[in-house]
Amino acid sequence: EAGVVQSPRYKIIEKKQPVAFWCNPISGHNTLYWYRQNLGQGPELLIRYENEEAVDDSQLPKDRFSAERLKGVDSTLKIQPAELGDSAVYLCASSLNSLISFTGELFFGEGSRLTVL
Amino acid sequence: GENVEQHPSTLSVQEGDSAVIKCTYSDSASNYFPWYKQELGKGPQLIIDIRSNVGEKKDQRIAVTLNKTAKHFSLHITETQPEDSAVYFCAGGNDYKLSFGAGTTVTVRA
Repeated sequence: EAGVVQSPRYKIIEKKQPVAFWCNPISGHNTLYWYRQNLGQGPELLIRYENEEAVDDSQLPKDRFSAERLKGVDSTLKIQPAELGDSAVYLCASSLNSLISFTGELFFGEGSRLTVL
Repeated sequence: GENVEQHPSTLSVQEGDSAVIKCTYSDSASNYFPWYKQELGKGPQLIIDIRSNVGEKKDQRIAVTLNKTAKHFSLHITETQPEDSAVYFCAGGNDYKLSFGAGTTVTVRA
């Protein structure tokens, strides 16, 4: 079974430029998360989707960050314009949450490492 | 919101010895405490978790303990092996929202 797929793995951009990250979750997983991981720190939640609905975006800096999950499958996270402090690894995770089965386990992708110069 | 603190930040152990990582949390409403292992260039992977209605859980060489009164939980790895070298993260919260600790870099010396 394929895991969570993210692209690109690495991205280097100049500040003020836009950037987008793509995530394909595990097939059948209805919950999708975007996390940001700064160097030497644990992941921090940016946004959580239940199917196509963003149910928790309280930590998403909405002035420059946006996300979408069309058709409740793939998701895109966008930053525009990027700032120096946005340099981090952006992790996508998915989980299967239902009335029948809810383990709480997050399945992470390998992440997209962003460097803003 | 929940605040999780993790200690130590680095841990070096001799192969075959035990490793212990400790975490504290702030929100008494938190009921789910997973531990994730992250290898270089990879995403975190769940290794064990515990819920607030359980005090201890073990899976082969890995065990986790939870003290709800003191709001702390610990990861114990026995008979460490070179493949245990990685960054370990504790987390606390509920099934929908987790706060992660800053991580512990574990190095197992051969």
